[in-house]
Amino acid sequence: DTGVSQNPRHKITKRGQNVTFRCDPISEHNRLYWYRQTLGQGPEFLTYFQNEAQLEKSRLLSDRFSAERPKGSFSTLEIQRTEQGDSAMYLCASSLEGVVSEKLFFGSGTQLSVL
Amino acid sequence: AQSVAQPEDQVNVAEGNPLTVKCTYSVSGNPYLFWYVQYPNRGLQFLLKYITGDNLVKGSYGFEAEFNKSQTSFHLKKPSALVSDSALYFCAVRGFQGGKLIFGQGTELSVKP
Repeated sequence: DTGVSQNPRHKITKRGQNVTFRCDPISEHNRLYWYRQTLGQGPEFLTYFQNEAQLEKSRLLSDRFSAERPKGSFSTLEIQRTEQGDSAMYLCASSLEGVVSEKLFFGSGTQLSVL
Repeated sequence: AQSVAQPEDQVNVAEGNPLTVKCTYSVSGNPYLFWYVQYPNRGLQFLLKYITGDNLVKGSYGFEAEFNKSQTSFHLKKPSALVSDSALYFCAVRGFQGGKLIFGQGTELSVKP
């Protein structure tokens, strides 16, 4: 168990640029989640996958955000035409879902700063 | 829609005293409830969960939580606080259908010597 890995750890970009983050879940986990967290707030749900299928996407998420999980392994989160309001910690989590609701394992996150 | 409320932004406790971090929830059907902890510059870590059964759930680092269906609460407790317990604590809920986990806004626990 190597844990959930997120890259990069930090990303600084200029407004209007596109950014892409990567998440590598725990290998046997079939679910993968993306959350966003700003200072002093709890993680805000963005989207989640079961294997390669995207099962839910937050209505708060604009169409500038897109996520993929090809082959049901790693996932990428892309933000197009970044805005200063996108500055946040982007968290990835994975879980092994079965009969009983399982706990999420979180990565250390990618801190995005939009200048 | 499911939601979680943590009414206290901050809880201050003296080392050795008992601590309680409050959480109330709203969800259709039976809830799945979780507590996570976030230490500075560290990722979120699972503490404990309630799925069904005994209303008192024991978790990591000596923490426990009490599920109260009538009050829709799931308060986190520890009999004797340590300075090292100082961190951000998040309550979370998901519905019985599974799916996304919804987090509260967090409570900062400060334990002073």
